[in-house]
Amino acid sequence: GAGVSQSPSNKVTEKGKDVELRCDPISGHTALYWYRQSLGQGLEFLIYFQGNSAPDKSGLPSDRFSAERTGGSVSTLTIQRTQQEDSAVYLCASSFGSRWRFPDTIYFGEGSWLTVV
Amino acid sequence: DAKTTQPTSMDCAEGRAANLPCNHSTISGNEYVYWYRQIHSQGPQYIIHGLKNNETNEMASLIITEDRKSSTLILPHATLRDTAVYYCIVRGRTSGTYKYIFGTGTRLKVLA
Repeated sequence: GAGVSQSPSNKVTEKGKDVELRCDPISGHTALYWYRQSLGQGLEFLIYFQGNSAPDKSGLPSDRFSAERTGGSVSTLTIQRTQQEDSAVYLCASSFGSRWRFPDTIYFGEGSWLTVV
Repeated sequence: DAKTTQPTSMDCAEGRAANLPCNHSTISGNEYVYWYRQIHSQGPQYIIHGLKNNETNEMASLIITEDRKSSTLILPHATLRDTAVYYCIVRGRTSGTYKYIFGTGTRLKVLA
């Protein structure tokens, strides 16, 4: 597609329920990122997929959070047993995924706003 | 951890140049400096990147010091629409992979 697409745009869920957030990266991009941004805060890195390599999960805050990327394209971020502190906007980004010594611009989607009540 | 430090906030008069500093004293090798900005409620937007030389595009200019330990993003004629949080990033190796780690950024307020 023309840009990074995320769905849903907004999600209100009850505490304790599971939620799935979807990211469709730019066609041809091999790298995909998930970030979380709480109200008034900076971007918190969650997870990074690069091609067929094992994902970098070092930013996931707890084992309630998981993500997968099927077929090297679409990614789903799953939050189990949601808590109120999970309320935030979840941003997905993608890039061509060039090696570190070359520039690699990332492009963001508009985010999925999650509210846990 | 982010490899950059930036002032928390800055003000700039409309029509004047906005100069946003960034410290990246631990930058190494061929690591690039990137700038993004985030306007309220939107996903971050790419502005510019550089390695050693100064760079200019239709949005901004990037001045990198000779030792590459700091840089300055310049918005030559700031408008109210430039009010945003500006992030300076060095894509270095963190927890085993090369990825973008965002710091807290600089909140730029352009004043009428």
